[in-house]
Amino acid sequence: RKEVEQDPGPFNVPEGATVAFNCTYSNSASQSFFWYRQDCRKEPKLLMSVYSSGNEDGRFTAQLNRASQYISLLIRDSKLSDSATYLCVVKQDMRFGAGTRLTVKP
Amino acid sequence: DTGVSQDPRHKITKRGQNVTFRCDPISEHNRLYWYRQTLGQGPEFLTYFQNEAQLEKSRLLSDRFSAERPKGSFSTLEIQRTEQGDSAMYLCASSPTLNTEAFFGQGTRLTVV
Repeated sequence: RKEVEQDPGPFNVPEGATVAFNCTYSNSASQSFFWYRQDCRKEPKLLMSVYSSGNEDGRFTAQLNRASQYISLLIRDSKLSDSATYLCVVKQDMRFGAGTRLTVKP
Repeated sequence: DTGVSQDPRHKITKRGQNVTFRCDPISEHNRLYWYRQTLGQGPEFLTYFQNEAQLEKSRLLSDRFSAERPKGSFSTLEIQRTEQGDSAMYLCASSPTLNTEAFFGQGTRLTVV
């Protein structure tokens, strides 16, 4: 089993849609989780941390489910500019998922 | 600019040649990571340092690959006898502690011809 696994995607959604990605991890001792965004041929950039109680940043919501060992990212009211690849990472191991590609269409 | 810096940004080399990449982390970040990324894939972990100590190496890191961080500041990644399969983006990231976010450099794109 891979250390970090993500929904394979791609996700193609219309503007204004709500879309959710999941990411499962194998190390039950993991403490820190992050979502990164990566645009084509650019480096990954931090989107948001994932806190135990869940956290929200504008249209983005991240949640952690320790019992089932997964984290999720919800994007509401999708914008064209949200088109990118979304990567989850388990910080202790610094292992990334393969990424989920999102395309938001007009 | 106080971000993570990588040099060179692009490198084209002939098969069989050796190449070396440099990464300058954010000042006072004691953790430094190297990744390799190919098109359509997530970053693959190669190795990481805490200060000058190399604490983990991926099995992806064959004996042709070596990384150093001699003074706990900048790091180098060397690939000997390059192969076409080594063509990829090599990313470096740094973070101040174990549980804080890591920041990436812009990467070095290697093309082996």
